[in-house]
Amino acid sequence: SQKIEQNSEALNIQEGKTATLTCNYTNYSPAYLQWYRQDPGRGPVFLLLIRENEKEKRKERLKVTFDTTLKQSLFHITASQPADSATYLCALESSSNTGKLIFGQGTTLQVKP
Amino acid sequence: EAQVTQNPRYLITVTGKKLTVTCSQNMNHEYMSWYRQDPGLGLRQIYYSMNVEVTDKGDVPEGYKVSRKEKRNFPLILESPSPNQTSLYFCASSLNRGYNGYTFGSGTRLTVV
Repeated sequence: SQKIEQNSEALNIQEGKTATLTCNYTNYSPAYLQWYRQDPGRGPVFLLLIRENEKEKRKERLKVTFDTTLKQSLFHITASQPADSATYLCALESSSNTGKLIFGQGTTLQVKP
Repeated sequence: EAQVTQNPRYLITVTGKKLTVTCSQNMNHEYMSWYRQDPGLGLRQIYYSMNVEVTDKGDVPEGYKVSRKEKRNFPLILESPSPNQTSLYFCASSLNRGYNGYTFGSGTRLTVV
């Protein structure tokens, strides 16, 4: 069956450290993969998108990698700050099922001062 | 301001009473989609629309209807709401899904009693 999995356990790190979040998928051929940030009770906010033929994307303190062999994406936040505390969602759209964006359940990040 | 606007923000209704949740975007996006978010289940796609008069089912379409008569609006209709449709609903739109990500609305918290 098709699955997108993110660490369900919360990730707790110290301010200034690098946070690394994982997104694994099975039985998909993603055209692209996206990462979103969601704060409690609010809509997700788009952060980064990486396409199937790209290995890495960066935006300020954020970095996303995409390994289609391992079927995994890693999301890094460098020099993390308490304001980065939120739930982070990965989502993918399959190249064979355009229009359907499937989300993982998210990983909650807590950055402590 | 570029945004996706959902109304109402909160709604409590009774079983069987038809309701419509409106969604409007001012960014001339072709693609629009509806999601529901439930604890432990994450974001699940209900319906999506690639363009005017083009709609398709997501993963959980049962009990919902949509229409796309004009580009900016994509209402979600519950003909006969039931308690299992109590959820947090999000509308999203995108100009070019493979490059720009999605813009989400602020959400509609629906309670069916």
